[in-house]
Amino acid sequence: GIQVEQSPPDLILQEGANSTLRCNFSDSVNNLQWFHQNPWGQLINLFYIPSGTKQNGRLSATTVATERYSLLYISSSQTTDSGVYFCAGSSYLTGTASKLTFGTGTRLQVTL
Amino acid sequence: NAGVTQTPKFRVLKTGQSMTLLCAQDMNHEYMYWYRQDPGMGLRLIHYSVGEGTTAKGEVPDGYNVSRLKKQNFLLGLESAAPSQTSVYFCASSPAGTISGYTFGSGTRLTVV
Repeated sequence: GIQVEQSPPDLILQEGANSTLRCNFSDSVNNLQWFHQNPWGQLINLFYIPSGTKQNGRLSATTVATERYSLLYISSSQTTDSGVYFCAGSSYLTGTASKLTFGTGTRLQVTL
Repeated sequence: NAGVTQTPKFRVLKTGQSMTLLCAQDMNHEYMYWYRQDPGMGLRLIHYSVGEGTTAKGEVPDGYNVSRLKKQNFLLGLESAAPSQTSVYFCASSPAGTISGYTFGSGTRLTVV
């Protein structure tokens, strides 16, 4: 299966700062997702982004499939952005389940 | 719309005991998954299902069994719990095809003593 590497492993930001999280894949993927795990453990799907760029409020993501990486941008960070950000990917055949492989996450702490 | 519901939320088992974790989704998703999350290791796939009556092994299936008798439910069983199965278990579902991503349940924290 594919290998997923995330960087940085830990990040501390002051409220209002911007940040970029990176995800590298060992092989090509046709399913790429970003998740946020809040301090209470809930996993929230942020983006389904196998290629291209998407934006949702202060968050945006870009996947360059040909170069096997994806970026998550957080602008004007808020304390509620704290938690762990996971990227996950898979390469699957049409009609089969997409079994995601997760990275080990980037732990983000936003301080006042 | 409840999404994905997991029960129970917490459980403590003694070594050798058995239990079943229940996952229910109300989004009519075809695919369902069970993951475990251990500190520093991200999430790892235990078993998954592509439809009612079907199951398949994931990355770490040993010690677990699953069943999907109804489309909306996916059960994870531990026949003889071991301390190495202490973990947080997450269920997820997704539609067939490349429409959208996973929806996760809130997790079950299991401790085996």
